[in-house]
Amino acid sequence: AQSVTQPDIHITVSEGASLELRCNYSYGATPYLFWYVQSPGQGLQLLLKYFSGDTLVQGIKGFEAEFKRSQSSFNLRKPSVHWSDAAEYFCAVALGFTGTASKLTFGTGTRLQVTL
Amino acid sequence: NAGVMQNPRHLVRRRGQEARLRCSPMKGHSHVYWYRQLPEEGLKFMVYLQKENIIDESGMPKERFSAEFPKEGPSILRIQQVVRGDSAAYFCASSPGRDMNTEAFFGQGTRLTVV
Repeated sequence: AQSVTQPDIHITVSEGASLELRCNYSYGATPYLFWYVQSPGQGLQLLLKYFSGDTLVQGIKGFEAEFKRSQSSFNLRKPSVHWSDAAEYFCAVALGFTGTASKLTFGTGTRLQVTL
Repeated sequence: NAGVMQNPRHLVRRRGQEARLRCSPMKGHSHVYWYRQLPEEGLKFMVYLQKENIIDESGMPKERFSAEFPKEGPSILRIQQVVRGDSAAYFCASSPGRDMNTEAFFGQGTRLTVV
């Protein structure tokens, strides 16, 4: 069965510093890959997604992610973090495509804290 | 345009009672997805519905859980005879279609506590 691992439960960075959130998946073929963000009291918002093509994907709010097949990873990055980026970040994979939000498997999330 | 609305936000039920969770999709969205997040775990897919039809319920527990998305009104996730292990956050998402270029939008979730 497919699985998603986010090894970092909690990360703290200073405002203006760069950020990388790790995501590893376990699946034999290339899955569909997603990053979501959940701000306190809000629903999950899609940051970016990878289906095929260029392995470096640009998303909203200045985030990007790179798909590395050899490492089964899809790490999320941002060059300069803003205090408003403090939130919980979820990586998700889908086994094939069966619908926009169907059968996504989520990681346990990484909580990002930003210090001023 | 209001987002996906879930209510209640918090629900407390005693063991053996029924829990009804509601999800009003965004306007124009006819596809609804339910997910459950147990403590210390990631969200797990439960069911995918399109108006009046269950498309995929492969993630639904075999007993006590049911879901519907009627022609009129919100989607309902119903849990009968709740047990402590049902305590979790339940998220709903909606999308206008299933094309891979359409985005699904998630609600804020309903936190169910069984006492």
